[in-house]
Amino acid sequence: NAGVMQNPRHLVRRRGQEARLRCSPMKGHSHVYWYRQLPEEGLKFMVYLQKENIIDESGMPKERFSAEFPKEGPSILRIQQVVRGDSAAYFCASSPLGDRVSYEQYFGPGTRLTVT
Amino acid sequence: SQQGEEDPQALSIQEGENATMNCSYKTSINNLQWYRQNSGRGLVHLILIRSNEREKHSGRLRVTLDTSKKSSSLLITASRAADTASYFCATEYKGGSEKLVFGKGTKLTVNP
Repeated sequence: NAGVMQNPRHLVRRRGQEARLRCSPMKGHSHVYWYRQLPEEGLKFMVYLQKENIIDESGMPKERFSAEFPKEGPSILRIQQVVRGDSAAYFCASSPLGDRVSYEQYFGPGTRLTVT
Repeated sequence: SQQGEEDPQALSIQEGENATMNCSYKTSINNLQWYRQNSGRGLVHLILIRSNEREKHSGRLRVTLDTSKKSSSLLITASRAADTASYFCATEYKGGSEKLVFGKGTKLTVNP
């Protein structure tokens, strides 16, 4: 069973461009979470999605950021008109539907976004 | 802020010694989890302890939870150089969604 997959692993964008980060959850998992990590910091929650639904987006900046998790295909975190402050590592995690027993989230390797 | 806080921020020990890291949080939780992150890598889940549990073991890891003090500790016994990493606690708060709230981490260095 492959783990959580994220691509690309590294992404360089110029200011004003768009960044698209992809996350494929573990097989059988239908809950996806996105977190952002600044250098020397812990992870900060951004958004929690289930298939075709945004459950909690309380950590998402109000502008330029959006996320989706379509019925088919990976979850996408989209950042429009990137600025230098968006440079960070973006991690995706997944958990199984209805797995309230363990609550464990399985993390992907992350996408490191650098805005030049 | 609901963010947990780890203590100490950095810890340097010799191989074979024990390492203890602490985490404090602010409001009622469903569970608390510990993760390890090697430099520049993803997170590895170490152990989860539920709010009704007081202690859990996994190999060389021992986690305690004191809900009255809103704190947890992670003990790594007989440390190895390969344990060098950052360690984060993450809490799932009661009444919230299933999101995790992470602390800033403890950077552990185990010297050979």
